[in-house]
Amino acid sequence: NAGVTQTPKFQVLKTGQSMTLQCAQDMNHNSMYWYRQDPGMGLRLIYYSASEGTTDKGEVPNGYNVSRLNKREFSLRLESAAPSQTSVYFCASSAGAGVGELFFGEGSRLTVL
Amino acid sequence: GENVEQHPSTLSVQEGDSAVIKCTYSDSASNYFPWYKQELGKRPQLIIDIRSNVGEKKDQRIAVTLNKTAKHFSLHITETQPEDSAVYFCAAILTGTASKLTFGTGTRLQVTL
Repeated sequence: NAGVTQTPKFQVLKTGQSMTLQCAQDMNHNSMYWYRQDPGMGLRLIYYSASEGTTDKGEVPNGYNVSRLNKREFSLRLESAAPSQTSVYFCASSAGAGVGELFFGEGSRLTVL
Repeated sequence: GENVEQHPSTLSVQEGDSAVIKCTYSDSASNYFPWYKQELGKRPQLIIDIRSNVGEKKDQRIAVTLNKTAKHFSLHITETQPEDSAVYFCAAILTGTASKLTFGTGTRLQVTL
């Protein structure tokens, strides 16, 4: 059981470039999330998907888009990367929206130059 | 929306001593309060949680207390060990809604020998 897997683990971008972070879970969870983690700021929610076919903005959605491709997969896209988006990104899933334990992926460290 | 404050931001204790981390929340409707531990370079993982119908919960050396009236909850670690060194995050949510888990900003615990 892999749990939550996200790719890539590391990425360096130049300002203005685009990229997509991929996330997949094999726990048959309904809800999936994207967080960013910055020093002293904790974990801040970017977007979440309470169930397949739905997505909603979190606390810091500007500059990002998401796609819930199917029940397993939830991707995060940066259309035009900015240095302020340098961060560690975590995908997570849970059985239901606001229900029980969040299972996190290993994280993706993104640097925007 | 929910706002969670966490203190202290850093905490250093000697091995064998106790550590206490405190959080306050703003939404009196919140009813689920998990704690996550994140070791250096790793993903956050749930270590203990408490629901609003319970005042205290213990799991070996870890305990969490909840004061609904004052809207605060605390993590207590007794007989600390070097492997307890990590960043700890508290969180709060109203379960059963499509709302989002709100995290505190984290406490870096260092257990010294």
